[in-house]
Amino acid sequence: DTAVSQTPKYLVTQMGNDKSIKCEQNLGHDTMYWYKQDSKKFLKIMFSYNNKELIINETVPNRFSPKSPDKAHLNLHINSLELGDSAVYFCASSLSGSSYEQYFGPGTRLTVT
Amino acid sequence: RKEVEQDPGPFNVPEGATVAFNCTYSNSASQSFFWYRQDCRKEPKLLMSVYSSGNEDGRFTAQLNRASQYISLLIRDSKLSDSATYLCVVNRDSSYKLIFGSGTRLLVRP
Repeated sequence: DTAVSQTPKYLVTQMGNDKSIKCEQNLGHDTMYWYKQDSKKFLKIMFSYNNKELIINETVPNRFSPKSPDKAHLNLHINSLELGDSAVYFCASSLSGSSYEQYFGPGTRLTVT
Repeated sequence: RKEVEQDPGPFNVPEGATVAFNCTYSNSASQSFFWYRQDCRKEPKLLMSVYSSGNEDGRFTAQLNRASQYISLLIRDSKLSDSATYLCVVNRDSSYKLIFGSGTRLLVRP
């Protein structure tokens, strides 16, 4: 019973392509997040949704667009991929009252060639 | 300057050793503090919260020094399974946003 799942786990694609990563949680949480972890292992918040409403939108290129169809799902679409987008993307979820306790998915390792 | 700074390590210690990591944060308005653990090529997981009075969970002790703006994690009687990267995390204003340090790597050898 995976709590937070992401697909795909690995994604290798060429510059200029458009790709999506999907995230689902079955914990009953109302808040979901996307993080990017770069090659230096620095984990940085990109977006967060609470009850399908965007609440965190960091300084991220507008090629990145999150979508939350419902509380249990948060997808990330990336247009016109660039070499610098290569990283591990983690989805996470939490309850509103315990936002510090975030449960992370296994990550999607994106490689742009 | 990064908002949360950690010594990247690695700290290489024998089993049974006691090891301590420090972390400093720059924003004095920071309100909540945590340690997360990340195993190699895995996702981060919450290890423990850090309270002003200090807190202990088995072999792990976390301390907060607000005046000096640093957080510490002490691991006693290190096990091989403690080998991981320890991430210092700060919540600035009780919002949903967590600020992660880049982590301190611990290697426990037999």
